[in-house]
Amino acid sequence: QVQLVQSGAEVKKPGASVKVSCKASGYTFTSYYMHWVRQAPGQGLEWMGMINPSGGSTSYAQKFQGRVTMTRDTTTSTVYMDLSSLRSEDTAVYYCAREANYGTGMDVWGQGTTVTVSS
Amino acid sequence: QSALTQPRSVSGSPGQSVTISCTGTSSDVGGYNYVSWYQQHPGKAPKLMIYDVSKRPSGVPDRFSGSKSGNTASLTISGLQAEDEADYYCCSYAAGYTLRVFGAGTKVTVL
Repeated sequence: QVQLVQSGAEVKKPGASVKVSCKASGYTFTSYYMHWVRQAPGQGLEWMGMINPSGGSTSYAQKFQGRVTMTRDTTTSTVYMDLSSLRSEDTAVYYCAREANYGTGMDVWGQGTTVTVSS
Repeated sequence: QSALTQPRSVSGSPGQSVTISCTGTSSDVGGYNYVSWYQQHPGKAPKLMIYDVSKRPSGVPDRFSGSKSGNTASLTISGLQAEDEADYYCCSYAAGYTLRVFGAGTKVTVL
């Protein structure tokens, strides 16, 4: 079945970096865009950016530009989200989600990865 | 890019209808027919309920419907059921660097 499986929870200190993975299965990896969305405790959803697994092109939300890097490995059908210079406000659940065609909605989501930033 | 504006909460009795609004600008909701809606139960990942303003993915009950007028999109839940109690988020394609923008979320309570 179609699924996205994310890496486990992380605890990081302020100023560090975190890399979250999202492994896709059950569909053609390069045929769907992949988004990253985060949700701080008790807050709403926030779009971080997206990657086209076919060519590797990326688009990042202005808020995260310079701090986020999204990559993919087509041999393992995995996308990665690297966030640097972490601060306490980055404490959140991070989700990957796929989208079939540009702008048509994210139809499959990963289970979420909790990232806690604390000294 | 500012978040889309949604009411913080709406409520209704079982069997009634509720409508959630999602207001943006001509650079997002009003400019493109790429509005989607997500349902999120506590501790769970979001679930796609509506895409392309008014289309329902396979498996989503036809009690859920979407529409758009100008810069405001809407999600209507007809025949409200207990399992519909959740948070709902709208999302739109947006021009510029931030290509997607979410609403702040609406909590639907079934009385």
